[in-house]
Amino acid sequence: AQTVTQSQPEMSVQEAETVTLSCTYDTSENNYYLFWYKQPPSRQMILVIRQEAYKQQNATENRFSVNFQKAAKSFSLKISDSQLGDTAMYFCIMRRGGGADGLTFGKGTHLIIQP
Amino acid sequence: GAVVSQHPSRVICKSGTSVKIECRSLDFQATTMFWYRQFPKKSLMLMATSNEGSKATYEQGVEKDKFLINHASLTLSTLTVTSAHPEDSSFYICSARDGGVVNNSPLHFGNGTRLTVT
Repeated sequence: AQTVTQSQPEMSVQEAETVTLSCTYDTSENNYYLFWYKQPPSRQMILVIRQEAYKQQNATENRFSVNFQKAAKSFSLKISDSQLGDTAMYFCIMRRGGGADGLTFGKGTHLIIQP
Repeated sequence: GAVVSQHPSRVICKSGTSVKIECRSLDFQATTMFWYRQFPKKSLMLMATSNEGSKATYEQGVEKDKFLINHASLTLSTLTVTSAHPEDSSFYICSARDGGVVNNSPLHFGNGTRLTVT
């Protein structure tokens, strides 16, 4: 069975600080994809960043970067220079590759950016 | 970029009535769509997988007669909540998979539908 664990139900940081959201997962697959999605109060699911498991290089998107440790099955999200608009629920999601359907969601981390 | 349109965004209905929610892929063909339910401050719970031209696959515990799914075309899947009860009140979200890209396509989510059953 595949699992995704987000151990921080809620985090709060000051604006402009750097924050890291943790995500660990478990799978027996060798080919899979990992995503971080944010869900602001509007409830829209917005892609933040994604990582292919076969790529060693950590993905980066502007202020967002991941620390992907495949051996440790860890996929943390770092947000630099946090902004008020970053306040949202963040979900870590794993998707199997190989043409198989199936997503595994983490329970989410509610990130609050304080002014 | 790929867009998934979900309609309506908000609906209020009376107990016993049925409500239909539409999920459309606007610029790609979605061979597979997923329907989720989300409770406040909780993660998304997969309800069913909708495959174009075939029957939907329901997750354990989801009543297929209660939540009817139809994926009649490559761009449209519908979820009908039949004989709605107040406990069906929730936030429903669809996502679509781009049939042109098998593995590494991102997940395209609709904006969700807030259903309130009175």
